[in-house]
Amino acid sequence: GAVVSQHPSWVICKSGTSVKIECRSLDFQATTMFWYRQFPKQSLMLMATSNEGSKATYEQGVEKDKFLINHASLTLSTLTVTSAHPEDSSFYICSARAGTSNSNQPQHFGDGTRLSIL
Amino acid sequence: SQQGEEDPQALSIQEGENATMNCSYKTSINNLQWYRQNSGRGLVHLILIRSNEREKHSGRLRVTLDTSKKSSSLLITASRAADTASYFCATGSSNTGKLIFGQGTTLQVKP
Repeated sequence: GAVVSQHPSWVICKSGTSVKIECRSLDFQATTMFWYRQFPKQSLMLMATSNEGSKATYEQGVEKDKFLINHASLTLSTLTVTSAHPEDSSFYICSARAGTSNSNQPQHFGDGTRLSIL
Repeated sequence: SQQGEEDPQALSIQEGENATMNCSYKTSINNLQWYRQNSGRGLVHLILIRSNEREKHSGRLRVTLDTSKKSSSLLITASRAADTASYFCATGSSNTGKLIFGQGTTLQVKP
């Protein structure tokens, strides 16, 4: 149980393109989804927290207009990297969690999206 | 900002040996979790230990938590080549529900 599907797994596109990444919880309802960015050989950096039906909460230094997050249902959140540039190239990972923010529930991760901007 | 620091950064052992990884954190926590990441993949949840727990087991995994020292350890017993991966600790906040990840330990188990 607790499967999270992230799509696509790999994207290569030209500079200036907008890229949408989907994160789906397949067998549970995700009250909250999280979007992370990971650079090579480094840890995960939280970009934003997404709650179903409300605006995402962005971490300090993350541009809201650059990284658009939509959490339209309890099973789907999307991250759109708008007008992507080479510096946006990275590994993006989503996670989903059931329960409230104070619950001792683990986060379940997708397999990540490798984004390469040429 | 990252609050967890993991030690060692890299660990190389022979199959069958035990592997111990340590994690320290700075603020109060609701729980502490350990995750594994295979190269180029997402994270797999291994074990969650609550702030009022001191030790937890899951198969070959043993996790300890010392809230007075703000530290945790992950022990993998009788390691296998398939255990080769990066291991991250993450602290869960009671206020925000967010996870703050440590820098990770890269474990290599040689067959």
